[in-house]
Amino acid sequence: AQSVTQLGSHVSVSEGALVLLRCNYSSSVPPYLFWYVQYPNQGLQLLLKYTSAATLVKGINGFEAEFKKSETSFHLTKPSAHMSDAAEYFCAVSAPGGYQKVTFGTGTKLQVIP
Amino acid sequence: GAGVSQSPRYKVAKRGQDVALRCDPISGHVSLFWYQQALGQGPEFLTYFQNEAQLDKSGLPSDRFFAERPEGSVSTLKIQRTQQEDSAVYLCASSLVGGGGTYNEQFFGPGTRLTVL
Repeated sequence: AQSVTQLGSHVSVSEGALVLLRCNYSSSVPPYLFWYVQYPNQGLQLLLKYTSAATLVKGINGFEAEFKKSETSFHLTKPSAHMSDAAEYFCAVSAPGGYQKVTFGTGTKLQVIP
Repeated sequence: GAGVSQSPRYKVAKRGQDVALRCDPISGHVSLFWYQQALGQGPEFLTYFQNEAQLDKSGLPSDRFFAERPEGSVSTLKIQRTQQEDSAVYLCASSLVGGGGTYNEQFFGPGTRLTVL
C-alpha cells in the first residue's frame, strides 16, 4: 500500500521568496510520485512527476522536486514565488504496474503575500 | 473534445434524491477512474474501469454508490438516496492504457460539485 503525508495544510510566502512544500511518502515498492496543483473550482493539473528516472524532476511554472529515497521525501520547491502560484497543491503516489491508482495527500494551500 | 469533460459541473440535491454524474473521457482512453474530494481533503479513489469492465470498486463508500461504463467510453456515477455526507467534488480521470510497467498518466476532468441539502 502507498500513502503520502503533506506537512502543513497552509503555507504563506512573500512574493519573490522561496516556496517549499513538504511531502513524505510510504510505499512497499519503488513508487511513482506526483505533485498536482488545483486552482479554485478547477480540476487537477499535473505539475511534475517522478517515475524512477532522474531524481531531480523539473515541472511546469518553474517548480521542481527531488526524490530522496533515504528520507522518503519528495518536497516541492520554486526559487521565487509569484502571485499566480497561489493555489492548493497535492502530493500523490502510485505503484508501477497494474492500473496505477493514485493516492493523494490532504493538500497544502499556498498563499503568496505581495 | 481535447480533455476529460464532466457534467453537470454543479448539482444540488435534496437529501434522499438520486443523482447521476457523467464523465466523458479522452477518446480512446482505456482506463477510467472516479475520485471523491471532500471539502478540505485530497481526492480519494472510488472505482476503476478498464474499457467496460469495472475492475476495482473498493473505494465506493456504500451500496448507494454505483458506477457504470457500458460501452467502454462514457461513464456514469450514480448515487442513490443521497445523504449530506455525500457532498463533495467528484472527479473523473482517464488514461490511455490499462496498465503495465510504464508510467500511464491520468488526465483529470474539472469535477462535479455535489451539494446535498
